[in-house]
Amino acid sequence: GAVVSQHPSRVICKSGTSVKIECRSLDFQATTMFWYRQFPKQSLMLMATSNEGSKATYEQGVEKDKFLINHASLTLSTLTVTSAHPEDSSFYICSARSNTQYFGPGTRLTVL
Amino acid sequence: AQKITQTQPGMFVQEKEAVTLDCTYDTSDPSYGLFWYKQPSSGEMIFLIYQGSYDQQNATEGRYSLNFQKARKSANLVISASQLGDSAMYFCAMREEPSSFGNEKLTFGTGTRLTIIP
Repeated sequence: GAVVSQHPSRVICKSGTSVKIECRSLDFQATTMFWYRQFPKQSLMLMATSNEGSKATYEQGVEKDKFLINHASLTLSTLTVTSAHPEDSSFYICSARSNTQYFGPGTRLTVL
Repeated sequence: AQKITQTQPGMFVQEKEAVTLDCTYDTSDPSYGLFWYKQPSSGEMIFLIYQGSYDQQNATEGRYSLNFQKARKSANLVISASQLGDSAMYFCAMREEPSSFGNEKLTFGTGTRLTIIP
């Protein structure tokens, strides 16, 4: 099946710093990628839809200035958590669609 | 109202037995897709099976089958001959009619934690 990678897999940062997470589709081109957030023992919640070459579409309640999304190419989307705070600590998962929607392995962000 | 409902937060099943994970959904779109994903403790989301709203037959993938009852708006996952490696969180998800190709988002249920007992 299609492969989606994420980097880094785990990051610990200090409060106030910014963290960039990369999502790559390794063997297919994805004009659209999705970013989800998952809090412990909860379901995945869609944060935004990342569109190649255009602005991302954010879900209600998600701050676009805090979660910057850049979909610069057909195989790469990045999520930058700006001025991260402890409440941003979560598991962030991206997905991209080939014949179905494939998920990356996730990035666990811990903000101290 | 919840679009995807999984009423079983946790299940314990004896190894080699079959297990059914419940999922009901709510949509007014005539065209939609239903997915099941497995999430082991590592966190990755593993695609298991897909059912389209217009598919006449229930989807099957190896030991996984989807009991699709459209009138009841249910899409239960059946795992036959369960194995220890099946222990994980299982999420049901729905994709409603996309506005454009590729621009389709999934709505997830709250998940069921399945534990297989040796």
